[in-house]
Amino acid sequence: GAVVSQHPSRVICKSGTSVKIECRSLDFQATTMFWYRQFPKKSLMLMATSNEGSKATYEQGVEKDKFLINHASLTLSTLTVTSAHPEDSSFYICSARGTSGLSKGEQFFGPGTRLTVL
Amino acid sequence: RKEVEQDPGPFNVPEGATVAFNCTYSNSASQSFFWYRQDCRKEPKLLMSVYSSGNEDGRFTAQLNRASQYISLLIRDSKLSDSATYLCVVNMGTGGFKTIFGAGTRLFVKA
Repeated sequence: GAVVSQHPSRVICKSGTSVKIECRSLDFQATTMFWYRQFPKKSLMLMATSNEGSKATYEQGVEKDKFLINHASLTLSTLTVTSAHPEDSSFYICSARGTSGLSKGEQFFGPGTRLTVL
Repeated sequence: RKEVEQDPGPFNVPEGATVAFNCTYSNSASQSFFWYRQDCRKEPKLLMSVYSSGNEDGRFTAQLNRASQYISLLIRDSKLSDSATYLCVVNMGTGGFKTIFGAGTRLFVKA
């Protein structure tokens, strides 16, 4: 199946710093990538949908100036958490959606990034 | 009403048991359906797609009832390794494919 990588897998930072998370589709081109956040024992919450070459679409309640998304190529999307605070500590997961064939509609997930803000 | 609803569980079953999960969705325009499995502190992984005619993969059977707007997952002969959270996923809309995840159903299989 398709492979999506995410980097870093874990990051610990001080409050007020910015953190960039990369999401790459390794063996397919992803015109659409998704960013999710998951708090402990809670469900995945979609933060934004990222389309290559255009602005991301943010879900209600997600601050676009705080969570900057860039989808500069068909294989790379980045999420930058700006001025991170302890309440931003969470598990951030990206996914890329298959666009054709049997995998159409299926989402391939990256392994996630665990962010801890001190 | 939530767009995708699941019983959060947990379901505690012994090895070898058969267990079934249901999931309901609110948007009749939903187009494709999936069950994902998520292990603790890991990313979700696709378990199986759900087709209108129903489909089976080994011990797992998925069914879709469009009229009643629910999907189900049946696990036969449960194994300890089946312990996980099972997420019901619905793609809706045309073109943009908005994806909605259920909150998940937790399953514990015990020896």
